[in-house]
Amino acid sequence: EDQVTQSPEALRLQEGESSSLNCSYTVSGLRGLFWYRQDPGKGPEFLFTLYSAGEEKEKERLKATLTKKESFLHITAPKPEDSATYLCAVFYNQGGKLIFGQGTELSVKP
Amino acid sequence: GAGVSQSPSNKVTEKGKDVELRCDPISGHTALYWYRQSLGQGLEFLIYFQGNSAPDKSGLPSDRFSAERTGGSVSTLTIQRTQQEDSAVYLCASSPAGLPNQPQHFGDGTRLSIL
Repeated sequence: EDQVTQSPEALRLQEGESSSLNCSYTVSGLRGLFWYRQDPGKGPEFLFTLYSAGEEKEKERLKATLTKKESFLHITAPKPEDSATYLCAVFYNQGGKLIFGQGTELSVKP
Repeated sequence: GAGVSQSPSNKVTEKGKDVELRCDPISGHTALYWYRQSLGQGLEFLIYFQGNSAPDKSGLPSDRFSAERTGGSVSTLTIQRTQQEDSAVYLCASSPAGLPNQPQHFGDGTRLSIL
């Protein structure tokens, strides 16, 4: 069964304390893995797309990496404004839908 | 507007009533998706429209749920005889052509509460 699992469910960091979020997947024929950020009361906001093992993408303090079984979202020296829920999703092999993980709720304290 | 627009932003209704939720995708996007986000649950796929093709309805949880897309643009998700378990945030997304290299852009959702 195609599945996406994110860990941890929640993460509390001090400002400047770097860490990583994990997204593991079991899908047949990965065609794309997406990272989104979701703020309370808002829809998910697109961050990155990764397609193949070894690929990396960066944006400000965020860096996403991909292996054959998982993806990591590395957060370097986070700031309070990075607090949000981070969602991982894979593009389903048949049709256009995304399969989402449960998300990691990140809280960064000053 | 530049983004995906959904209305209403909030809807409170009584159990057993019908509700209609509207989605206005980004102009020019041919792919449109509906997802549901419940408390403690991840985003759950409901239905996908791509151009003039038959929609992928594989995620609709029951026959009380239906959706249509008129003129290849605006979409309406209808829930008949609402139940309390239908309470959730309903999110709409669009992408240029539904391809794997095209991210889906989301609206802010309709928060549906069934009393």
